[in-house]
Amino acid sequence: GAGVSQSPRYKVAKRGQDVALRCDPISGHVSLFWYQQALGQGPEFLTYFQNEAQLDKSGLPSDRFFAERPEGSVSTLKIQRTQQEDSAVYLCASSLTVTGRNTEAFFGQGTRLTVV
Amino acid sequence: KNQVEQSPQSLIILEGKNCTLQCNYTVSPFSNLRWYKQDTGRGPVSLTIMTFSENTKSNGRYTATLDADTKQSSLHITASQLSDSASYICVVSSISGGYNKLIFGAGTRLAVHP
Repeated sequence: GAGVSQSPRYKVAKRGQDVALRCDPISGHVSLFWYQQALGQGPEFLTYFQNEAQLDKSGLPSDRFFAERPEGSVSTLKIQRTQQEDSAVYLCASSLTVTGRNTEAFFGQGTRLTVV
Repeated sequence: KNQVEQSPQSLIILEGKNCTLQCNYTVSPFSNLRWYKQDTGRGPVSLTIMTFSENTKSNGRYTATLDADTKQSSLHITASQLSDSASYICVVSSISGGYNKLIFGAGTRLAVHP
């Protein structure tokens, strides 16, 4: 596709409900990142995939958060038993290469999750 | 701890005026520094990327500077337009664990008024 696509754009979940957020990266991009952005704050790192391998999940806030990228393209971020503090915008980004100094990261529009 | 701090937190200017946004960082090892523009309800969009050896880079009315010795960067916006109203985020990249890890600042929220 032309850019990084995320769905849904908006999600309202009742506390305790499970949610799944989808990211379609730019075709052929090796790296995929998930970020959590609270209102008025900069994005905070959640997890990183290189192709299908999840190389860094140090930013996942609890074991209720789980991410996968089984075929090295589409990725899903799953949040189990959602809590109000999970309310945020979840951003996905992809980049063509891994460690190039000018590696550009392209962001999706994000999924705004509201837990009520 | 790797950190990126931005100032001011928010800024209001009149259309046509110039402004400068600041970024200080303590990130090691340093790979590159990026400025992103984030419109409300959108994902960040890259404005500039600078490596260690570059001390200035322009993209239209946006000019970024980098002083790698003092670990400071600035983003200067010339002749501001209403469409410049957005958050501007400074991001420092560090190659850690075999990949480019991005460390984000909290952003400066810019409002351009007519």
